[in-house]
Amino acid sequence: DIQMTQSPSTLSASVGDRVSITCRASQSIGTSLAWYQQKPGKAPKLLVSQASGSDIGVPSRFSGSGSGTEFTLTIYGLQSEDFATYYCQQYSSYSTFGRGTKVEIK
Amino acid sequence: VQLVQSGAEVKRPGASVRISCKTSGYVFYSYAIAWVRQAPGQGLEWMGWFSAHNGSTMYAQSLQGRLTLTADTSTATVYMELTGLTSDDTAVYYCARDMWFGEKSPLQHWGLGTPVIVS
Repeated sequence: DIQMTQSPSTLSASVGDRVSITCRASQSIGTSLAWYQQKPGKAPKLLVSQASGSDIGVPSRFSGSGSGTEFTLTIYGLQSEDFATYYCQQYSSYSTFGRGTKVEIK
Repeated sequence: VQLVQSGAEVKRPGASVRISCKTSGYVFYSYAIAWVRQAPGQGLEWMGWFSAHNGSTMYAQSLQGRLTLTADTSTATVYMELTGLTSDDTAVYYCARDMWFGEKSPLQHWGLGTPVIVS
C-alpha cells in the first residue's frame, strides 16, 4: 500500500497569510494526487487534481505543485472561508488519503 | 450530478449494514463510484471502488472479506455492504463519483454522507 504522510497536522495562520501544506508519498505516484477541503459536518470538496490542476470554480489562490513523491498545496492570501481541514489523496494505486491538516485561526 | 445516500443506521456489533447511493445527472455507466468513511474526529479512509462500466471492484486491504460493492443499473444506484461490524466501523460513510473514466481518478462529486453507529 502507498502511504501518504501529510504535514503539518495543524497550522495556525491569519487572514492574508500564505500557507503551505506538504504531502509525501511512500513511493512515486507521478502526478496522481488530489487535494480536498473539508469543513465540519460537510463532505470533502475537490480543490486540485493531477497535482496542479484546479477544479472548476476553485479560487485561484489555491495552488498545487509537485510530482513523484513530494507535493505541496499553497494558499495565497488566506481568506476567512479557508479555515478548514485539508487532505491529500493519491489515486495512482488504489487510493490513500493523508491524515489531514487543520488550518485554524491564529 | 447528484448522489443521494440512504439514511442513518444504528447496528449491533456483528451485524451488517447496507447503504445506498442513488446517482443522477450523468450517464451512470461512464463513471466509477468510490466509498470513503470518516470515524468521529478522524481523517478520511478510502474503502473501495466500483466501476459502473463493467462492474469491477477494488477494495482496501483492511476491509477485504467484509466489504462488497454492487449496483442496480436499472435505478443507477450503487450499494455498499459491510459485514461483521465492530465499534471501529462507527463513522460517516460517503459515496463519491470519479472525476473521469478509468481506474485512476480523483473524486469530484460527493454524497452528503450516511452516519453509521455500531453499539
